[in-house]
Parts: sequence; C-alpha cells; structure tokens
Amino acid sequence: NAGVMQNPRHLVRRRGQEARLRCSPMKGHSHVYWYRQLPEEGLKFMVYLQKENIIDESGMPKERFSAEFPKEGPSILRIQQVVRGDSAAYFCASSPQGKETQYFGPGTRLLVL
Amino acid sequence: EDQVTQSPEALRLQEGESSSLNCSYTVSGLRGLFWYRQDPGKGPEFLFTLYSAGEEKEKERLKATLTKKESFLHITAPKPEDSATYLCAVQASGGSYIPTFGRGTSLIVHP
Repeated sequence: NAGVMQNPRHLVRRRGQEARLRCSPMKGHSHVYWYRQLPEEGLKFMVYLQKENIIDESGMPKERFSAEFPKEGPSILRIQQVVRGDSAAYFCASSPQGKETQYFGPGTRLLVL
Repeated sequence: EDQVTQSPEALRLQEGESSSLNCSYTVSGLRGLFWYRQDPGKGPEFLFTLYSAGEEKEKERLKATLTKKESFLHITAPKPEDSATYLCAVQASGGSYIPTFGRGTSLIVHP
C-alpha cells in the first residue's frame, strides 16, 4: 500500500515565478492537509481539502496561495509570484475521513532564489 | 486556542540511557493526541494516537502515556537509530479536527 506521495521533492524557483506542489494521498484516503515547516519551527497548518472542496483554509495566506483537490488527480498547492520568505518544506498529509490519524508524505522543499 | 508545548527542546542521551519526552497541552476537549517521529529531510512518521487519560501504547523501545494535561514519550534503552525529532500534536473535538503541533524534541543518542 503506497504511502502519501509528493512531487517534486525539491523545487527551486526565482522570485516572481510560480510554484506547484503535488500530493497524492494514500489509497482509500479522501482528505488532504497541507502544512508548512520552517527550520526550528513546528508544522503549521495551511489548508484542509476533500475532493473538490476546501474544508478549512484558515492557515493559508490570503494572497498568492491557493489549493485544490480535483475529482481526478492529485491535490495541488500553488504559490504565485514566490518570494524568498516562501522557502520552506511543504508537507502533505492524508486521512481516510477527516477525524483520524494523518499520514504524511516526504515533503517538497522549496527554495526561492 | 489550542496549545502544545514540548520539552526539552533538545536531548542528548548515551545509548542505553532511558529518558522521557514531555508534551503539555491545552485544548478545548481532547479528541486525540498524536506522536510522530521525523528524521532530517523526511516527513513525519506516525507513531501513536492516544485518546483518553490513562491510555498507554508501546512500540519497541517507545511507550506513550496520556494524562489530562500532558503526554510522555518514554524511551527505554535507546539506540543511535532512535535519534530523530519527536513531534506531538493534539486534536480538539469539534470543528475541522485540524491538529495543533508542538515544535518537537530533538533527540540524539550517542553510541
């Protein structure tokens, strides 16, 4: 049973470019969460999605950031016009129905030059 | 607002030297408390979920316990491969069930 998959694992962007991070949940999981982790800091919640629905986006910046989880395909976290402060590790987690334990992917490390 | 405080921030042990990591929490109704292990450059790996005070769970050299205000992760006779950052998170009952994470305890076990 494949775990949560994320790609790319590493992403380098120049300031002003767009970053697209992808997450495929575990088989049978329909709930996806995105987190951001900075060095020496804890995991910070960004957004919680189900298929075709955003359930909670209270942790996501209002500008430049968006997320989707289409009926078919992976969940995507999109960062427009990246700035150096967006450099971080972005983790995706999934759970079967939302209340249960979350299982994490390996993360995407974004570096903005 | 839910809060999670982990202590110590860093812990160095000799191989075989048992110790405990602490996770103190404030939450408006606890639904679950989670422990994860995170190795450098990797995603958090699930260890345990605890739901009620008095509950205990074990896995190899690790044992997690839960009270109404805190949780402990006991490490018995640790080995160098237990070196990692251990994360604690709490999930409140109600709302969207988003867990709140602590900053973690960085454990180094020397051979």
